[in-house]
Amino acid sequence: EAGVAQSPRYKIIEKRQSVAFWCNPISGHATLYWYQQILGQGPKLLIQFQNNGVVDDSQLPKDRFSAERLKGVDSTLKIQPAKLEDSAVYLCASSAPVGRQKLFFGSGTQLSVL
Amino acid sequence: AQSVTQLDSHVSVSEGTPVLLRCNYSSSYSPSLFWYVQHPNKGLQLLLKYTSAATLVKGINGFEAEFKKSETSFHLTKPSAHMSDAAEYFCVVSVNSASKIIFGSGTRLSIRP
Repeated sequence: EAGVAQSPRYKIIEKRQSVAFWCNPISGHATLYWYQQILGQGPKLLIQFQNNGVVDDSQLPKDRFSAERLKGVDSTLKIQPAKLEDSAVYLCASSAPVGRQKLFFGSGTQLSVL
Repeated sequence: AQSVTQLDSHVSVSEGTPVLLRCNYSSSYSPSLFWYVQHPNKGLQLLLKYTSAATLVKGINGFEAEFKKSETSFHLTKPSAHMSDAAEYFCVVSVNSASKIIFGSGTRLSIRP
């Protein structure tokens, strides 16, 4: 079974630039999550999708972050413009039909904002 | 609201000795609880989960955790540490299937030879 795919693996940008991350969940997984993990901290949920609808985006800084999952499969997370404090690993996870709650994580995208 | 607190940011034990990583949770409803492990430069992996069945849960690599409602705890244990157990461990809480899945701040486990 293929895992959660994320790209790119690493990204270095300057502040005020924009960046986009891509995630392809495990086939058949309806729920997709984007987490931000700052060095030394636990992952923080940014947004949760159920199919192509947003379940929770309460911790997404909507003035600069956006995410979409138009066809209910893969998803993109964008930051525009980036700030220094956005430097983190961005993790994508997916889970099987509602009720199972086991998350499968991708390897993440490590973002450095200079 | 739900939350999870990992009481130790860093735990160091000698190889072959027991491991105890502490986790307390807060939830208005019956929670589901998980432990995930993150090895350096690798993705997060589920160790074990509690979802209102048996209170003692066995996971992979010899780890287990006990759900204690009276103490609102879900501590992770292993009888004998191995060098390969060195990693970051996260306690996670979820109230229902559609709710947020909240991670603790993590405990870094170091193993001394």
